[in-house]
Amino acid sequence: GENVEQHPSTLSVQEGDSAVIKCTYSDSASNYFPWYKQELGKRPQLIIDIRSNVGEKKDQRIAVTLNKTAKHFSLHITETQPEDSAVYFCAAVDNYGQNFVFGPGTRLSVLP
Amino acid sequence: DGGITQSPKYLFRKEGQNVTLSCEQNLNHDAMYWYRQDPGQGLRLIYYSQIVNDFQKGDIAEGYSVSREKKESFPLTVTSAQKNPTAFYLCASKNPSSDTQYFGPGTRLTVL
Repeated sequence: GENVEQHPSTLSVQEGDSAVIKCTYSDSASNYFPWYKQELGKRPQLIIDIRSNVGEKKDQRIAVTLNKTAKHFSLHITETQPEDSAVYFCAAVDNYGQNFVFGPGTRLSVLP
Repeated sequence: DGGITQSPKYLFRKEGQNVTLSCEQNLNHDAMYWYRQDPGQGLRLIYYSQIVNDFQKGDIAEGYSVSREKKESFPLTVTSAQKNPTAFYLCASKNPSSDTQYFGPGTRLTVL
């Protein structure tokens, strides 16, 4: 089955700096890759996603890149702000949308 | 994800009791999921249902049971066989058009 790894497990950056979180997956059948942000005590919320026919997608300060050959995808947050502090989860989803596997999460702390 | 509700928000259980967590959605989604999240940890799949009257075990189904009698509802029962049920429980449903999972606000279960 699919296995999703996520690095780093914790990340601290200064406000205004960039943050990058990387995920790798094992199943070449996966073709949809969402990213979720979870604030303390709250539900995970979708922040950006990408499909396998696209190499990069951007939405204001966040972007996701995908390398299908290497089976990895990354979340990029620029100009970080304290409100970006949260746990971020990546996921890989197969062709049929049935196999939905989450990574273990990255705790991002943005220091003022 | 505003169309997914969970109740109660907080639940306290005595040892030996069964308790049922509610999950309702008005998004007309076929697929629904239950996850368990322990402090500082990722999401672990308990059960999922792709369609009414059908459900499958996830990675940690022991001590839990579910039913799916209606499309809108996917209740989770935590039985007395679950020895360490204290956790944050998240329900999700999946948009069939995008394969994106949307989460409810969660139920925090504590065993007294």
